[in-house]
Amino acid sequence: NAGVTQTPKFQVLKTGQSMTLQCAQDMNHEYMSWYRQDPGMGLRLIHYSVGAGITDQGEVPNGYNVSRSTTEDFPLRLLSAAPSQTSVYFCASRLDWSTDTQYFGPGTRLTVL
Amino acid sequence: TQLLEQSPQFLSIQEGENLTVYCNSSSVFSSLQWYRQEPGEGPVLLVTVVTGGEVKKLKRLTFQFGDARKDSSLHITAAQPGDTGLYLCAGVGANSKLTFGKGITLSVRP
Repeated sequence: NAGVTQTPKFQVLKTGQSMTLQCAQDMNHEYMSWYRQDPGMGLRLIHYSVGAGITDQGEVPNGYNVSRSTTEDFPLRLLSAAPSQTSVYFCASRLDWSTDTQYFGPGTRLTVL
Repeated sequence: TQLLEQSPQFLSIQEGENLTVYCNSSSVFSSLQWYRQEPGEGPVLLVTVVTGGEVKKLKRLTFQFGDARKDSSLHITAAQPGDTGLYLCAGVGANSKLTFGKGITLSVRP
């Protein structure tokens, strides 16, 4: 199993550009989440999904969209990038809402100029 | 909003020393998790504590959940350079969503 994979590893955008951060898992996990990690702020939940076709907002959803068309994939879209979205983004998955063990991807470091 | 405060924020110690770090909240969580994160990587789950007063050991690491399920501590015995990293605690709350603390940066000098 590859676990949780994220692409790209690094990305630089200009203000106003759009892009999609990819996340995939091959563990047949129902529950997937997106977090951002900023210095001194810890990990903050952006959006999460409890299964294909079901998504919900987390703590900091503004400026981000998600969809979950398959169990494996959970892409995060930035519609119009802003410098405040400069961060490291982590995707995570776990079997379902009731299980504790959560697996994180390696992260995407995004810089918005 | 449930908040988790971790302390100290930074800790630099010599190899072989013991240390204890803390994760405190004013809210009750159904369970609490500790993660370790190394530079350039995602967090890795170390342990989940569920019952108030619970103590779990992972080799030289001892985790304790407070009786009221609002706080937790991590004790490392005879720290080694391989223990260096960012230690994050996370409380599991409503809808199984996780709330993370800001983390403790630990550096163990050889």
